[in-house]
Amino acid sequence: DGGITQSPKYLFRKEGQNVTLSCEQNLNHDAMYWYRQDPGQGLRLIYYSQIVNDFQKGDIAEGYSVSREKKESFPLTVTSAQKNPTAFYLCASSVGTLPNYGYTFGSGTRLTVV
Amino acid sequence: AQSVTQLDSQVPVFEEAPVELRCNYSSSVSVYLFWYVQYPNQGLQLLLKYLSGSTLVESINGFEAEFNKSQTSFHLRKPSVHISDTAEYFCAVSRNNAGNMLTFGGGTRLMVKP
Repeated sequence: DGGITQSPKYLFRKEGQNVTLSCEQNLNHDAMYWYRQDPGQGLRLIYYSQIVNDFQKGDIAEGYSVSREKKESFPLTVTSAQKNPTAFYLCASSVGTLPNYGYTFGSGTRLTVV
Repeated sequence: AQSVTQLDSQVPVFEEAPVELRCNYSSSVSVYLFWYVQYPNQGLQLLLKYLSGSTLVESINGFEAEFNKSQTSFHLRKPSVHISDTAEYFCAVSRNNAGNMLTFGGGTRLMVKP
């Protein structure tokens, strides 16, 4: 079955460490997105990519970085510059860049700073 | 820029009672509207969407939403809820001027009690 796979499901980070969250899709979707979810704040867009080798900052990109070297993969790195990284991170993809397409979401990665 | 307001952060309701989850949006252009559902520790799943045509849209599990352009609302309703409907529900609006970009509301936690 096609879908989006996020790994790991749970991740613990020490202060000052960079960590990378994986997101892989086999849906042949062009666009991919990273969202951060905090209780009561809904989803906030971190980065998005509408085509391979190109990506754009979202609303809260500071302290994060991404790459899009392959259509299927859109990893997110949470750097030590992100001061409050504890959150639930969601990756999504969509068929194209027209606004009528909805998103397919992965099952998320819960990151905790220890 | 578009914004989405979900007026209720939590909605407790007894099983078999009707429920309405409210969503209002602000936009100066035509929009596409979506409702997503999130079960604990999972990603979001598309529940229903309004693109054009009939203002009343339905999902396969008994939910419906009505697009009201004059009131800029897209409220979600179900005439009789089940315990299994307990989840968080997110309303989203497309950002028409930025491709397939969705802006999400803060979410409403539906708690169905026996």
